[in-house]
Amino acid sequence: AQSVTQLDSQVPVFEEAPVELRCNYSSSVSVYLFWYVQYPNQGLQLLLKYLSGSTLVKGINGFEAEFNKSQTSFHLRKPSVHISDTAEYFCAVSDRGGFQKLVFGTGTRLLVSP
Amino acid sequence: GAVVSQHPSWVICKSGTSVKIECRSLDFQATTMFWYRQFPKQSLMLMATSNEGSKATYEQGVEKDKFLINHASLTLSTLTVTSAHPEDSSFYICSALRDSSYEQYFGPGTRLTVT
Repeated sequence: AQSVTQLDSQVPVFEEAPVELRCNYSSSVSVYLFWYVQYPNQGLQLLLKYLSGSTLVKGINGFEAEFNKSQTSFHLRKPSVHISDTAEYFCAVSDRGGFQKLVFGTGTRLLVSP
Repeated sequence: GAVVSQHPSWVICKSGTSVKIECRSLDFQATTMFWYRQFPKQSLMLMATSNEGSKATYEQGVEKDKFLINHASLTLSTLTVTSAHPEDSSFYICSALRDSSYEQYFGPGTRLTVT
């Protein structure tokens, strides 16, 4: 079984500042890793995913994440945030077989202020 | 891009009645769809895995007789909340696993309020 830990429930940051949202996972098998964003009263939108290959993954809206197998981490970063990045961010993991069931972390609320 | 729709986007029903929520993959085939439930300010909890042409697989603790899932075609899965009660009020989100990739596409969600 897999589990995902997002230690920061809320991250306040000023506009144009850099941000890192932390994600650690636990699994006994190889996994795929994902970051999703959720705006109020909406479904989830995929930001980026790691399946294999380069450990640095670039996604939409200027976000990137780095897979660190030894640290079992997949932290999300953006060098300069905008007000519009205010949203809930979820890290998720799935095993590489079966039906790709996603296990989500508890989410991190990113609050960008002017 | 891959689009998943849900209908209705919100619904209010009286306690004891049943509500059906549809999840459609609009431009791709999805043998597998998932149903999640999300409580306010919380993460998504997987309720069940819906497989086209076969019975759904429910997660531990989810009542299969209460949450009926039917995956009748490669583009449509439905979730029926039977004999709804106020504690069933929640945000229900579906996702579709694109047959040609290892990626889930999420619907916009359905807000269910049971009075």
